Amino acid sequence: DAGVTQSPTHLIKTRGQQVTLRCSPKSGHDTVSWYQQALGQGPQFIFQYYEEEERQRGNFPDRFSGHQFPNYSSELNVNALLLGDSALYLCASSSTTVRSGNTIYFGEGSWLTVV
Amino acid sequence: AQSVTQLDSQVPVFEEAPVELRCNYSSSVSVYLFWYVQYPNQGLQLLLKYLSGSTLVESINGFEAEFNKSQTSFHLRKPSVHISDTAEYFCAVSDIGSGNTGKLIFGQGTTLQVKP
Repeated sequence: DAGVTQSPTHLIKTRGQQVTLRCSPKSGHDTVSWYQQALGQGPQFIFQYYEEEERQRGNFPDRFSGHQFPNYSSELNVNALLLGDSALYLCASSSTTVRSGNTIYFGEGSWLTVV
Repeated sequence: AQSVTQLDSQVPVFEEAPVELRCNYSSSVSVYLFWYVQYPNQGLQLLLKYLSGSTLVESINGFEAEFNKSQTSFHLRKPSVHISDTAEYFCAVSDIGSGNTGKLIFGQGTTLQVKP
């Protein structure tokens, strides 16, 4: 059983460009959340998707957008990249069908460097 | 809104010594509490969590944490550490209204450095 898978693992972009990161949740999970982890910091919540809709959002600008597909996989898009967007982007998946004792699983992340 | 403060950015300790990683939180609502571990170049792994019931929770690899509501703390302890415990540890909370799979608020992390 594959866990949470993310792609690409590493990428380098130039300021002003756009980037798309992808996430496949753990089998049986229907909810996907995205986090940004800057170097030396704790992860910060970007947003969460369930039933192909954004359900919760953190304090991130509209340059950050996402999408969830019918198969529960998700994309994170960042437009007009800034140097400060350089970070590890983590995808987390969970299930709404088992509420008690449920666990959030994280992928290994996508390292984004903006130059 | 919630916030999490991890009181130590780095904790150096010798192998087989006990260790405590401190975590305090602030919230106007009831919360769930979590400890995650991150090994170099890897994602986060859940170490243990407090949802309800007994305030002392344990992990399978010897860590334990105690929820103290009056002190709003959730400190992580291990009586004897191994070299393999060297990693970054994150304390996190989520408000009960979001469910235990909702938005997580993380602390800044504590680097545990176990020396031989």
